[in-house]
Amino acid sequence: DQQVKQNSPSLSVQEGRISILNCDYTNSMFDYFLWYKKYPAEGPTFLISISSIKDKNEDGRFTVFLNKSAKHLSLHIVPSQPGDSAVYFCAALSDNNDMRFGAGTRLTVKP
Amino acid sequence: KAGVTQTPRYLIKTRGQQVTLSCSPISGHRSVSWYQQTPGQGLQFLFEYFSETQRNKGNFPGRFSGRQFSNSRSEMNVSTLELGDSALYLCASRPGTGYYGYTFGSGTRLTVV
Repeated sequence: DQQVKQNSPSLSVQEGRISILNCDYTNSMFDYFLWYKKYPAEGPTFLISISSIKDKNEDGRFTVFLNKSAKHLSLHIVPSQPGDSAVYFCAALSDNNDMRFGAGTRLTVKP
Repeated sequence: KAGVTQTPRYLIKTRGQQVTLSCSPISGHRSVSWYQQTPGQGLQFLFEYFSETQRNKGNFPGRFSGRQFSNSRSEMNVSTLELGDSALYLCASRPGTGYYGYTFGSGTRLTVV
């Protein structure tokens, strides 16, 4: 059962523009959300997270927005840089604490 | 401090064989989770161990099993390998059972032929 969904397998943006990656979830028990970035042949690395009591969390060029009523979150990267090219995974946690991931979105930032 | 170490990095097995993968967590981390990554499926949760006990289990057949030792190192075993088991197997450790601090290893790439 795919409780966390990333419906766009890929996204291509121009350097300097905004990248918006989207994620939807179905389990209303999820109360903590994370974004991970993954390069080939490496494990995912933590990028940014948000608790369900917030609707926005910002860290430098990265901002995560959470819309609980829509069960939707998004990651904004502004401005996008070629080094941001990677696969981005959305993940969600609930009180029973196992982390569920989406299928990932491959972001390509073109110079 | 050393990160999460997974061995081996690459493995080729034939159908019907069994395989054991190893994960050494960050020192002091007591929780170890295992994930399977396949193209288009993202990271699928296999199981999580905390203090040598399985806390959670994903939706995988019984051919997939794991264990955790007293030093928090973990192994996962897949018996009667199938071609569809070819994947990148990732392990993540965290200090306890809170939300924070998941750190992933680089994974073991398993190819079943």
